[in-house]
Amino acid sequence: SAVISQKPSRDICQRGTSLTIQCQVDSQVTMMFWYRQQPGQSLTLIATANQGSEATYESGFVIDKFPISRPNLTFSTLTVSNMSPEDSSIYLCSVFDRGKAGANVLTFGAGSRLTVL
Amino acid sequence: KQEVTQIPAALSVPEGENLVLNCSFTDSAIYNLQWFRQDPGKGLTSLLLIQSSQREQTSGRLNASLDKSSGRSTLYIAASQPGDSATYLCAVKNLPLEYGNKLVFGAGTILRVKS
Repeated sequence: SAVISQKPSRDICQRGTSLTIQCQVDSQVTMMFWYRQQPGQSLTLIATANQGSEATYESGFVIDKFPISRPNLTFSTLTVSNMSPEDSSIYLCSVFDRGKAGANVLTFGAGSRLTVL
Repeated sequence: KQEVTQIPAALSVPEGENLVLNCSFTDSAIYNLQWFRQDPGKGLTSLLLIQSSQREQTSGRLNASLDKSSGRSTLYIAASQPGDSATYLCAVKNLPLEYGNKLVFGAGTILRVKS
């Protein structure tokens, strides 16, 4: 199955700054997904990163706040811009992976835990 | 709009008990349903995936069932162990035409197995 590496694993940031999270996959994938998990809540999809085209953002998320890069089929970055304490969350990168019988299993990286002061 | 609910929100059981976690969803037109485990401060690990055409999937001590018509899935854990302590999340993937490729997650059930 796909192995996903995320950096940083955690960080403490100051209000108003920006932070870029990196996601590296050990195999080529068409789509990479960025999810957010706010404290005590479940996961919400931020955007889908497509190689060779603009990312597709979900309702409530905009490119100016969460710019995404996808330079090749194994790598993506998510930037959290102009951070506020409300952005304190775990940010997770994920891809679909061929599981048993060809089913598309969503596989996650370990996540990047951001705390904004 | 698809909504996923998990009951109970938290569960504490003694080691060795069999237990059931529940997941319900409002839109039965799903493509598949996936159960995940999340350990504190970690990412998610996929446990089982059930396609919409399937009724259940099994892996070791875990068994997940799906009743699409009633919008329900259960995760059965047999002979629970302290190492099973984690948050269990279910997520549904709707038909791509309407929802794209995103999964809609429940809020999770926090399980604690006491030794």
